[in-house]
Amino acid sequence: AQTVTQSQPEMSVQEAETVTLSCTYDTSESDYYLFWYKQPPSRQMILVIRQEAYKQQNATENRFSVNFQKAAKSFSLKISDSQLGDAAMYFCAYRSVRGYNNNDMRFGAGTRLTVKP
Amino acid sequence: GAVVSQHPSRVICKSGTSVKIECRSLDFQATTMFWYRQFPKQSLMLMATSNEGSKATYEQGVEKDKFLINHASLTLSTLTVTSAHPEDSSFYICSARNRGSPLHFGNGTRLTVT
Repeated sequence: AQTVTQSQPEMSVQEAETVTLSCTYDTSESDYYLFWYKQPPSRQMILVIRQEAYKQQNATENRFSVNFQKAAKSFSLKISDSQLGDAAMYFCAYRSVRGYNNNDMRFGAGTRLTVKP
Repeated sequence: GAVVSQHPSRVICKSGTSVKIECRSLDFQATTMFWYRQFPKQSLMLMATSNEGSKATYEQGVEKDKFLINHASLTLSTLTVTSAHPEDSSFYICSARNRGSPLHFGNGTRLTVT
């Protein structure tokens, strides 16, 4: 079974600075999707960014970018120019593309990001 | 964008009663819906996967007789917590997708069993 590991329970960043959240995963599959979700205090799950494993190019969404290292099974999220609204729980997630479980998503334990003004 | 509506957002019930939570896809047909449970300061744990018109597939350790899931239409799935106990108090989140589409999450339901 696939597992997702986020080794940083909490992170803190100064407003306008850059922070990187770590994520590693374990899988025997060659094709899959990786995601970063943000969960603010409202508890709504918000998709931040996604990466298809077959793509070598790292995904980027405005101030959010990933460093996808497939061989190392690493998928870190970089937040540039951090804003107060970025404060939230961040979950890394894995989704397979085949098999009976091809639809479900496995989440890491989460990293709580604090942004200091 | 696609919207998933989850209702109620909060519910308080007495121990021994049953509670139904609804998850609706508002602008797309959800062939598959997922139910997650999230304890405070913890991650989302998949409880079950439901495909329209068929029985739900439960994750190991999740009691299917306690957490009844019905996915009777392409836009509605329900989770019924039967004979609720205080330990069932948690945050329940549904998500939905249509085949290859991205996953869309509901806003969650906070269940408190007294």
